Amino acid sequence: KNEVEQSPQNLTAQEGEFITINCSYSVGISALHWLQQHPGGGIVSLFMLSSGKKKHGRLIATINIQEKHSSLHITASHPRDSAVYICAVNTGNQFYFGTGTSLTVIP
Amino acid sequence: DAGVIQSPRHEVTEMGQEVTLRCKPISGHNSLFWYRQTMMRGLELLIYFNNNVPIDDSGMPEDRFSAKMPNASFSTLKIQPSEPRDSAVYFCASRAGGETQYFGPGTRLLVL
Repeated sequence: KNEVEQSPQNLTAQEGEFITINCSYSVGISALHWLQQHPGGGIVSLFMLSSGKKKHGRLIATINIQEKHSSLHITASHPRDSAVYICAVNTGNQFYFGTGTSLTVIP
Repeated sequence: DAGVIQSPRHEVTEMGQEVTLRCKPISGHNSLFWYRQTMMRGLELLIYFNNNVPIDDSGMPEDRFSAKMPNASFSTLKIQPSEPRDSAVYFCASRAGGETQYFGPGTRLLVL
C-alpha cells in the first residue's frame, strides 16, 4: 500500500472547467506539498500546507488533517495548466510522493 | 536570482563509470534536497541537508551513492560505479527555513 494515493491518475478537461485533484495519505505528517511538473520536466512547488486552505491565483489547496486528505482545485482552467500534479507529504523525517495526476486542458 | 542551478543538464555515461552531479542552491537557503525521478518509481527523496549537515539519507539506494555539501552554496551527488538502473532525472531543490522548496531544472542521466 502506498503512503500517498492520488486521484484521478489522468484527467482531461475543457478550458474554463473547474478541476479537482485529490490526495489521501496514511501517515502522520508535518506538511503536505503540491508540486507541478510541466511537460518539459521542470518542477514547481505550488503549495505547502499543514492546515486549512491556501489560495494563489486560480489555484486553491485545502487539507483536512483529521481525514488525512487534501485537494487541489483549479478554477477557470487553461491549457497552460496542463501538467502533472504531484502530492507529497513530509512526516518530519521522510517524504512520500504520490504517483501524480496528469492533467490535460483542451482549448 | 538565478534559482537553483544544476550541472550538467544531461549526462550520458557507460556503466561502471563515476558520475558526479552538482547543485548550487539559492543564496540564503539553508536546506538542500536531492531527488530522483523515474517512470517506474516516480519522484523519490534521496537525501537532504540542513545547514550543510546531512539529516536523512534513508532514501539513498545503496553505497554506490554518496552526497556531500562542503559549504552553503554547493552540493554534489556522486554515483560510483554507475549502473543502467541509475538512469533517471535527478533534481536538486533548496528552501529557506520551513518554506516552500525551489527545484532546479534537473540532470538527465543515462547510463549505458
